[in-house]
Amino acid sequence: AAGVIQSPRHLIKEKRETATLKCYPIPRHDTVYWYQQGPGQDPQFLISFYEKMQSDKGSIPDRFSAQQFSDYHSELNMSSLELGDSALYFCASGRTGGYGYTFGSGTRLTVV
Amino acid sequence: GESVGLHLPTLSVQEGDNSIINCAYSNSASDYFIWYKQESGKGPQFIIDIRSNMDKRQGQRVTVLLNKTVKHLSLQIAATQPGDSAVYFCAENSVNFGNEKLTFGTGTRLTIIP
Repeated sequence: AAGVIQSPRHLIKEKRETATLKCYPIPRHDTVYWYQQGPGQDPQFLISFYEKMQSDKGSIPDRFSAQQFSDYHSELNMSSLELGDSALYFCASGRTGGYGYTFGSGTRLTVV
Repeated sequence: GESVGLHLPTLSVQEGDNSIINCAYSNSASDYFIWYKQESGKGPQFIIDIRSNMDKRQGQRVTVLLNKTVKHLSLQIAATQPGDSAVYFCAENSVNFGNEKLTFGTGTRLTIIP
C-alpha cells in the first residue's frame, strides 16, 4: 500500500541557510500535517492543510512557511536556519472524520 | 490549554510478560485517541485507536482502555517481544472550528528485557 513519502531523508545545512522539505501524502487523503520532533521530545504540531488550504497552525516560527500544491504534495520551507532547528520533521496525512493519520519516515535536518 | 501526557517516561518489561503504558489527557471534549509506536529514527507507527464512545478496544496483542471519568488512557501489550521495544505515544485528536489536530503526549520508552 502507498505510504506518506518524505524527501529528503537527511539534510545538512549551515546556519542562516534555507531548507525545503517535501511531503507526498497518501492518495485521496485530504489533510496534511507537519510535525517537528527534537531529540528525546514528542512530536510538536507545526501546521496543517485541508484540501490545499492552511487549516491550523501550531508552534511554527515565522521563519518557516508551508504550502500544499494542486497535486496535494506539501512543502515546508525553512529560512534563516538556526542550530535549534535541528530535528526530525514528520509529515502525516489523513482523512477528516477521525480516520487516523499515517506518518512518513521523516526528514532529519541537521543545522551546523 | 490542551495537553496529553504520560505518567512514566521509561518502562522495562521481561520478554513474554505483559506491559501497560498509561496516559492522561486534559481535553474532555476530545473524541478520538490513538496510540503510536516509534522506533529510533522512524516515523510514528499507528498501533490502535479508540473513540470516546468506547471504553475498550482490542487488536492483535494490544488493548486500549479509555476511562473518560478520570481522563485516562492505557495501552496493554500482551506477551511482549523484543520488537516491542520502542517509544510509545498516546495522541489526542481535537477539533477546533472544524479543523482536526493531533496532539502528542510525552512518550514512554518501553524496553523488553530478553
